[in-house]
Amino acid sequence: DAKTTQPPSMDCAEGRAANLPCNHSTISGNEYVYWYRQIHSQGPQYIIHGLKNNETNEMASLIITEDRKSSTLILPHATLRDTAVYYCIVRVGRSFNKFYFGSGTKLNVKP
Amino acid sequence: DTAVSQTPKYLVTQMGNDKSIKCEQNLGHDTMYWYKQDSKKFLKIMFSYNNKELIINETVPNRFSPKSPDKAHLNLHINSLELGDSAVYFCASSQASGALNTEAFFGQGTRLTVV
Repeated sequence: DAKTTQPPSMDCAEGRAANLPCNHSTISGNEYVYWYRQIHSQGPQYIIHGLKNNETNEMASLIITEDRKSSTLILPHATLRDTAVYYCIVRVGRSFNKFYFGSGTKLNVKP
Repeated sequence: DTAVSQTPKYLVTQMGNDKSIKCEQNLGHDTMYWYKQDSKKFLKIMFSYNNKELIINETVPNRFSPKSPDKAHLNLHINSLELGDSAVYFCASSQASGALNTEAFFGQGTRLTVV
């Protein structure tokens, strides 16, 4: 059911920017892209979401391509505590609420 | 102050038993969910309730019965537990069932182990 594709893992040096890509080529016009992360086996933590414009908050930036078929989550200065599995989710809409999680990207932040 | 809280955090039980997991959210949200995360770490939606009414049931065995006494609570009751039910179960909530522009908040999970 997941409509997104992400690399299984990525490494990033501490203090550097982490750029996590996601493909969602079948996204519909009114579907938002959400990013969550899961640290160890804790509950998934919301990071950011967007429709077609780039978004930024205190945690990250979200860059969505003009055709909306892919996006990139940017953690500007990764720390060791950012080591987690990052999920890119396209939220299915209409009258239902579904957050479908794919397999995610395991981000390893290294000292 | 926890937004979405689940109890218990850990649950170890024998096959065939019946158990319940409780979930409460204090965010004033009208939609709540149950997700299951298996040993392969895939997170799968099980149920979604909106204002105490079931709106999603993702082909979950009928041994699993969610109950929503009010919109702040969504409990999960499991009958005749099986080994394959061992997993981490997450509760979540979000505002406005039909809106696509609202995030979901997750609880810290309940690790269920069936022996």
